[in-house]
Amino acid sequence: EVQLVQSGAEVKKPGESLRISCKVSGYRFTSYWIGWVRQLPGKGPEWMGIIYPGDSGLRYSPSFQGQVTFSVDESINTAYLQWSSLKASDSAMYYCGRQGPERAFDYWGQGTLITVSS
Amino acid sequence: EVVMTQSPATLSVSPGGRATLSCRASQSIGSNLAWYRQKPGQAPRLLIYGASTRATGIPARFTGSGSGTEFTLTISSLQSEDFALYYCQQYNHWLPTFGQGTRLDIK
Repeated sequence: EVQLVQSGAEVKKPGESLRISCKVSGYRFTSYWIGWVRQLPGKGPEWMGIIYPGDSGLRYSPSFQGQVTFSVDESINTAYLQWSSLKASDSAMYYCGRQGPERAFDYWGQGTLITVSS
Repeated sequence: EVVMTQSPATLSVSPGGRATLSCRASQSIGSNLAWYRQKPGQAPRLLIYGASTRATGIPARFTGSGSGTEFTLTISSLQSEDFALYYCQQYNHWLPTFGQGTRLDIK
């Protein structure tokens, strides 16, 4: 069974750093792109970018380029989304997803809620 | 950036009825379109990809159609779990984009 399990909710202050995780199981981690999606309250999802665990190939949306960093640890089948300096505007739900048939996300994590507030 | 516009914003249909949701792309995307359903407090779930191919485990009452710039998701025999938010996503352009969603409510 394919599963993507994300790390828990976080409450941080502006300027702090953060890394959230997405641990996958049930398929070969290195064979599929993993994507990250932001969803602001009451809004549609936003595609942040994708990473290919097989060779760490990366594609960032221009809206998120330079604002976040994707990485993977192949030894533990885990993908990461990282911020070096959080802003209040980063408060949102973040999902990881496996890019499956064609380029749709066929499996999703349960989401990680990030709250940034002073 | 390809802008995806969904209509209507809210649709009210009776249980057992049929719902028709629309999605329009600002430029031609071929058949590179997916539909997702999102229940409250849950992640989106893939329903349709390639504009008309049902994802694994999705029942036949979900039908996707269209190509180019106009797409439709039809849900027949509406069940309680179908009253949720629906999003379309294009992935023809190198930068995939989602619509703003259609909320399907119980009438």
